[in-house]
Amino acid sequence: DTAVSQTPKYLVTQMGNDKSIKCEQNLGHDTMYWYKQDSKKFLKIMFSYNNKELIINETVPNRFSPKSPDKAHLNLHINSLELGDSAVYFCASSQEFQRGRETQYFGPGTRLLVL
Amino acid sequence: GQNIDQPTEMTATEGAIVQINCTYQTSGFNGLFWYQQHAGEAPTFLSYNVLDGLEEKGRFSSFLSRSKGYSYLLLKELQMKDSASYLCAVSQAGTALIFGKGTTLSVSS
Repeated sequence: DTAVSQTPKYLVTQMGNDKSIKCEQNLGHDTMYWYKQDSKKFLKIMFSYNNKELIINETVPNRFSPKSPDKAHLNLHINSLELGDSAVYFCASSQEFQRGRETQYFGPGTRLLVL
Repeated sequence: GQNIDQPTEMTATEGAIVQINCTYQTSGFNGLFWYQQHAGEAPTFLSYNVLDGLEEKGRFSSFLSRSKGYSYLLLKELQMKDSASYLCAVSQAGTALIFGKGTTLSVSS
């Protein structure tokens, strides 16, 4: 039983294309996140949703649009892909958000390569 | 603002003890996490400290000093499988985790 799952695991695409990454968690958590990990392994928060509502939106280009159809799912759509978008994208979830102390559980990552 | 520093790389031998340090400067501190990330895999939770002192969990221990903005992760009886990146992350009230750039630990026989 996978707690946090992401699809696809690998994504190779051309510059200018639009792509989506899906994330699902079966932990019953209220909060979900998207992180980007660059080639230097630096893990940086992009977005966070709590009960389907956007609560964190870091300085991410508006080509990136998260969507949460329900609290178990958080998808990431990327328009007009650029070379610099190549990275590993991790989805994560935690029980709740406000307390700020909850352990985050990460999905396996989506390796995006833009050519 | 926030700033988290940890060494980029460390090496050690099997059976040894290694200490990975993390210093941080943040506002609204709400705890510090350590995560382990093997190459090509997701980060996995190791420890959480919010009070000063040492938390021990098997071969791994984590220490926190809030007044000094300092934490360390102590790994004992090192094994080859401990070769990984170790990520220090600070929790701030009302925001997501802020991660350091990670320390890549290489354990040799």
